[in-house]
Amino acid sequence: ETGVTQSPTHLIKTRGQQVTLRCSSQSGHNTVSWYQQALGQGPQFIFQYYREEENGRGNFPPRFSGLQFPNYSSELNVNALELDDSALYLCASSWREAPGELFFGEGSRLTVL
Amino acid sequence: DAKTTQPPSMDCAEGRAANLPCNHSTISGNEYVYWYRQIHSQGPQYIIHGLKNNETNEMASLIITEDRKSSTLILPHATLRDTAVYYCIVRVVPRDNDMRFGAGTRLTVKP
Repeated sequence: ETGVTQSPTHLIKTRGQQVTLRCSSQSGHNTVSWYQQALGQGPQFIFQYYREEENGRGNFPPRFSGLQFPNYSSELNVNALELDDSALYLCASSWREAPGELFFGEGSRLTVL
Repeated sequence: DAKTTQPPSMDCAEGRAANLPCNHSTISGNEYVYWYRQIHSQGPQYIIHGLKNNETNEMASLIITEDRKSSTLILPHATLRDTAVYYCIVRVVPRDNDMRFGAGTRLTVKP
């Protein structure tokens, strides 16, 4: 059983650019969630996907968007990057039937200059 | 939503039990208590959850008071690898599809 994997692990972008982060869910999981964790803070919910549809969204602007693919892998896209978007982006997968038991990846650390 | 209150930091001696408290005095009847931890530079890790009964698994025990206004996560024999930030979260599942992580408790296990 493979765990949640994310790529890339680190990346640097400049303001205004766009970024795509990728996540492979744990085998058998059908739901994926994305979180943003700023330095020194707890993770903040961005959105969740189930059956390739957005299934809930936190307080993030529309320039944060996502996709879930038929194999349950997922992407997080952020357009028009701002300095405050610098953070650790965490992907978590889960079974629909056990929604509170999230399995997190190691995260992608984004630095916006 | 019920809010949770946790001490910002705690120390524990290696080999001793670590007891991490969480207050959730406004919890409603259908809200579960979840515990996660985050070891430095890693993603959060699910530990345990419960509704009103005490729960135990291979990682920890969760003790919920009878009035459900507080709970305690117990790591029975803390090791140095248990040093992490521990988050107590109260959510209605499956209605709530997000985990709301607060500041948590930074547990330091000392030799």
